[in-house]
Amino acid sequence: DTEVTQTPKHLVMGMTNKKSLKCEQHMGHRAMYWYKQKAKKPPELMFVYSYEKLSINESVPSRFSPECPNSSLLNLHLHALQPEDSALYLCASSQEGNGGPYNEQFFGPGTRLTVL
Amino acid sequence: AQSVTQPDIHITVSEGASLELRCNYSYGATPYLFWYVQSPGQGLQLLLKYFSGDTLVQGIKGFEAEFKRSQSSFNLRKPSVHWSDAAEYFCAVAPRPGGGNKLTFGTGTQLKVEL
Repeated sequence: DTEVTQTPKHLVMGMTNKKSLKCEQHMGHRAMYWYKQKAKKPPELMFVYSYEKLSINESVPSRFSPECPNSSLLNLHLHALQPEDSALYLCASSQEGNGGPYNEQFFGPGTRLTVL
Repeated sequence: AQSVTQPDIHITVSEGASLELRCNYSYGATPYLFWYVQSPGQGLQLLLKYFSGDTLVQGIKGFEAEFKRSQSSFNLRKPSVHWSDAAEYFCAVAPRPGGGNKLTFGTGTQLKVEL
């Protein structure tokens, strides 16, 4: 199984809502990533979990809260978002997370988030 | 710091024509290079990768790329483009082993295919 799954596919939320994005992989990968992507732009790294520990936070606002309950699952909790947070949120995983060939990342299909 | 440049923001080719997408990198050691493709509203799919060895690498969907160290390039090619190849293409470089997890992406090239 070389698939990364993400749910939901689409999400519309108000600025006062709390919602969560979910990502799952069953490739035995030990590094998982959250990216934000705006239209016509490359993905921007938000968070990296390596061996279930948060290893990188790219100065992301606290209204985004990641969680890695186990090595196969990654969540992104959303609260009090702004309209400018509307984007495609991509999850990815890699065998490990320390450079070289182990950084080959497998991406999920993304969640299209709209904040009203 | 490593960087990736994709000089062409948009490229339009006719179906059946050949394609070359350019990628130049700035990196102090042996690079680990990737090409990804993204269809509208979808995730990124890995087309091919270069880690070492043969400088001409074959990928999925009939794509190939050639690593040229002297030119710091990793250009993507396809001999005959199909309409379904219309998408956004991203070149990316990974840090050296032990250098962390962060992929550096180019800004992307949007490919349009004329029928």
